[in-house]
Amino acid sequence: EIVMTQSPATLSVSPGDRATLSCRASQSISSNLAWYQQKPGQAPRLLMYSTSTRATGIPPRFSGSGSGTEFTLTISSLQSEDFAVYYCQQYHDWPPWTFGQGTKVEIK
Amino acid sequence: QVQLQASGPGLVKPSQTLSLTCTVSRGSISSGGYYWTWIRQHPAKGLEWIGYVYNIGSTFYNPSLKNRLIISMDTSKNQFSLNLSSVTAADTAVYYCARGDYVGWVDPWGQGTLVTVSS
Repeated sequence: EIVMTQSPATLSVSPGDRATLSCRASQSISSNLAWYQQKPGQAPRLLMYSTSTRATGIPPRFSGSGSGTEFTLTISSLQSEDFAVYYCQQYHDWPPWTFGQGTKVEIK
Repeated sequence: QVQLQASGPGLVKPSQTLSLTCTVSRGSISSGGYYWTWIRQHPAKGLEWIGYVYNIGSTFYNPSLKNRLIISMDTSKNQFSLNLSSVTAADTAVYYCARGDYVGWVDPWGQGTLVTVSS
């Protein structure tokens, strides 16, 4: 099973600033990585797939990069609605697909 | 946009079977190219892939659960279901049903339903 490790666990950021979230895979997953956003009391929402392709309706301030084992989600200018928990997920090796433990982006 | 809604008992006794149904609207589960998926989230913790069903009965299960798990689909009702037997407190979680792309990402997710295992 591929283990996904996210860092940091919590990121404190001021509105308008840039946020950089990291996700590391225990073995190469090529570009088979998705990112999700989860707000309190809500289901996760797909943000990004294939490492860098934004899902429908996701604004361009969200961008993804990386390949192999190291990946990054960048939010260029944090808006109030972006404070949430973000999860990465690999779909390179089944079973099972696996998620990172999440990064909470909180207001500084 | 397809919508999914999980439903079922919110409380299950230890050793019993947890049964949930996901009702799909604004789309058909018979349409190809999608994996009808169950994912769970333990309280204040991360996400765990349970498994999925596709092509009217083919399944993939998380190895850690496969001995207790059955996922099935009912195309006449546009629903798919999860049955997890011999539950313990460790199975307490919010259970989400979702549509998985055949490649592997998941979109959209249903709202989720909390299932507590307790006597």
